[in-house]
Amino acid sequence: ETGVTQTPRHLVMGMTNKKSLKCEQHLGHNAMYWYKQSAKKPLELMFVYNFKEQTENNSVPSRFSPECPNSSHLFLHLHTLQPEDSALYLCASSQDLGQKGSPLHFGNGTRLTVT
Amino acid sequence: AQSVTQLDSQVPVFEEAPVELRCNYSSSVSVYLFWYVQYPNQGLQLLLKYLSGSTLVKGINGFEAEFNKSQTSFHLRKPSVHISDTAEYFCAVTPRGGFQKLVFGTGTRLLVSP
Repeated sequence: ETGVTQTPRHLVMGMTNKKSLKCEQHLGHNAMYWYKQSAKKPLELMFVYNFKEQTENNSVPSRFSPECPNSSHLFLHLHTLQPEDSALYLCASSQDLGQKGSPLHFGNGTRLTVT
Repeated sequence: AQSVTQLDSQVPVFEEAPVELRCNYSSSVSVYLFWYVQYPNQGLQLLLKYLSGSTLVKGINGFEAEFNKSQTSFHLRKPSVHISDTAEYFCAVTPRGGFQKLVFGTGTRLLVSP
């Protein structure tokens, strides 16, 4: 089983829909992240959780709502999205917040299309 | 704040040829440096990282990178590429010893042809 699992792999939703992305890590890590990957742009950090507590919200619009019930699970709740929100959403985890250079482990992402 | 520049958006190369993917960074503090690879329809995977010590770092799949502090560069090299190396490569930097806020470059697409 892969270290970081994301579901669904693909999602098409209308602007009035509500949907959720799920991420699960099996690595025993303490930190989890949401990144947005859009074409021709650098990866954008969205949210960071450490021991279930949110430590970073990178000025993300409120139509994106994260939830971290425990250190192994991370959700991204979506509502009233815009077409420009279409992107690949990547979940990642790391042993800690990087003080010793611990790398990120990424899932395969959810390809989101907003129509 | 940190920034990363990957000068080449795409690098075409023939199989078994050497390749270098360039990465330059800007930072007012010491940093950790990373290279990640993304194969089609997958997430990012760590290739190698520089934390301290020897400036030449070896990674997976025969890749290596050299940290050059004076030129603020961390170029990735492979002496002989394979078709399977076709992927997107990302350079990233984060402040040393601090909160991990990786800053990524825009990526370089390596296209290996027979």
